[in-house]
Order: sequence, then structure tokens, then C-alpha cells
Amino acid sequence: DQQVKQNSPSLSVQEGRISILNCDYTNSMFDYFLWYKKYPAEGPTFLISISSIKDKNEDGRFTVFLNKSAKHLSLHIVPSQPGDSAVYFCGVLYNFNKFYFGSGTKLNVKP
Amino acid sequence: NAGVTQTPKFQVLKTGQSMTLQCAQDMNHEYMSWYRQDPGMGLRLIHYSVGAGITDQGEVPNGYNVSRSTTEDFPLRLLSAAPSQTSVYFCASSYSTGQGVSGYTFGSGTRLTVV
Repeated sequence: DQQVKQNSPSLSVQEGRISILNCDYTNSMFDYFLWYKKYPAEGPTFLISISSIKDKNEDGRFTVFLNKSAKHLSLHIVPSQPGDSAVYFCGVLYNFNKFYFGSGTKLNVKP
Repeated sequence: NAGVTQTPKFQVLKTGQSMTLQCAQDMNHEYMSWYRQDPGMGLRLIHYSVGAGITDQGEVPNGYNVSRSTTEDFPLRLLSAAPSQTSVYFCASSYSTGQGVSGYTFGSGTRLTVV
């Protein structure tokens, strides 16, 4: 059974607008969350993370929101740029040792 | 300033052959992990290590062995390759903070095909 779900396999957004990527998880014991992005034929790149004691973390154009009661994580990219087009994965850290990752959302930012 | 280095980048094996995927990091990170990525799926954890001499199993450990004799290196061994192990393998390293892990860095991957 999947511990982390990204229910939207793809998302298309116009350049300059907001991109919102969503992620749901099953276990309230998860204590650390992250997003990474991946371009074709490259390794994943860490993007942003958030601890379970926070509900928001910002880094430039990227903001991650955590709703613990809903077990929901989201990534906001504002403004979206064509170079943001990639596959985005959310991950959860359990017990400081194990990461579980979602199946990814492919973001396409149109010029 | 290499980060996480994986070798080889590509490999084709015959069923039943064994091989070792190499992973090295130069950031003195205590945590290292191996993942596999298959189409339509996120990264799945194979094995991980929280420090030299300490390893543990992840989600999909069967058919793989690891060891961590030094902080820098974390090789992944396929004992008897099977077509189901055809995948892209990523190694990652990170360090612990008071609230989790940080500096999560991935290698560029090894594309393995087992025929």
C-alpha cells in the first residue's frame, strides 16, 4: 500500500502563474517532508523540505505547506517559469531513517 | 566538489550475473541510501546506512546487499541479477539535523538492464 500519493500525474501551467503540486500521506507519524524535482536523464535534485513542527516553509519562489490534520503536503511555485518543467516528487521521512516517495507529478510550464 | 558520484552510468547484465554499483560522496555525510526508480513510480528505498558499519533494509531489499566500511563509500551489490532488477538506481547522501535530515544530494544514476 502506498504511503505517499500524488494523484495528479501531470499539470500544465502558463508561465508567470502559480503551480500547485499536491501530495497526500497516510501515516501521522511521518516527521519530515521534502520535495525534489527530476529532469529526464538526470539525478533528482532536492528542492525544499519541511519539518512536522512547521506548517509552511519558503525558499524563493518555492513554498511548501503542510496540513497535518489532513495529512496533506503541497508545493507552490510562484511565478512559474519554463525551466521549472520537470517531474516533481514528494517524499516523507519516517523515523529519521526511511524515505517514502510519491509517484511524481509532471509539471509543464508553457511560455 | 563532486557531491555524490555513481559508477557506472550504464550497465547491461545477463541473468544470473553479479555486479557492484559504486557510490561515493565527499561531503562527509553520515546518511547514505540506495533507491531504484521504475516507470510510473517514485523512488523506492533499497538499503540505507546511518553511518560507517551500520546498514539496514528499506522497502525493496531482496536481491541486493550493501556494506559501509567507510563514510565515503556505499556500494550496492546485485548477487544474481534478474530481469526484475532492470531499473535506474540512485544513490543519495544527507546529514542529520535536530529536526530531520538536510543536504539531501542524489547521484546522477546508474541505468541497469538485465537481459
